[in-house]
Amino acid sequence: EAGVAQSPRYKIIEKRQSVAFWCNPISGHATLYWYQQILGQGPKLLIQFQNNGVVDDSQLPKDRFSAERLKGVDSTLKIQPAKLEDSAVYLCASSLEQSEQYFGPGTRLTVT
Amino acid sequence: AQSVTQLDSQVPVFEEAPVELRCNYSSSVSVYLFWYVQYPNQGLQLLLKYLSGSTLVESINGFEAEFNKSQTSFHLRKPSVHISDTAEYFCAVSESAGKSTFGDGTTLTVKP
Repeated sequence: EAGVAQSPRYKIIEKRQSVAFWCNPISGHATLYWYQQILGQGPKLLIQFQNNGVVDDSQLPKDRFSAERLKGVDSTLKIQPAKLEDSAVYLCASSLEQSEQYFGPGTRLTVT
Repeated sequence: AQSVTQLDSQVPVFEEAPVELRCNYSSSVSVYLFWYVQYPNQGLQLLLKYLSGSTLVESINGFEAEFNKSQTSFHLRKPSVHISDTAEYFCAVSESAGKSTFGDGTTLTVKP
């Protein structure tokens, strides 16, 4: 089966610009996650969807980050405006059962 | 709140030597435990998991981990490592609903 797809793989923007990342989970996976992985750290959960509803967004900086999963399949994560500290790898994961997660390759964001 | 501590940020070993990557967690409830591996420029892949039952779990490539509830640990071991095992290893804990908390990772470097 196809894995979790993410695009773009790399993105370089200037601070105060906006950026969007796209994720297509494994077919049939109801749960979708967005993580932020800063260099030298483990992934940190930003938001978790169950179908098209938000389960947990407690760690999402809502003043600048937003995410949606309108049809319960693919998802978009947006940052507006970006800050230097947003430089990180943004990982998308999906799961069928709520324990084992399958990760995409990630999007590496550099904010200059 | 759950947390994960990976006690070693870097572990250099020689090929064919044994290795142990240490992981301790804190949680007030029963947990699921995972080890993920991240090869250079790739996404995270599940290496092995403990959900219930036998406290010793194994992966297909020779790694094993033992869940020790009294010591709240889930250390990863391999009796003989290969060059190809060079990667970053992440320990993760999940209480429920799929949300996982990750450690900051251990970089395993296998030298010839």
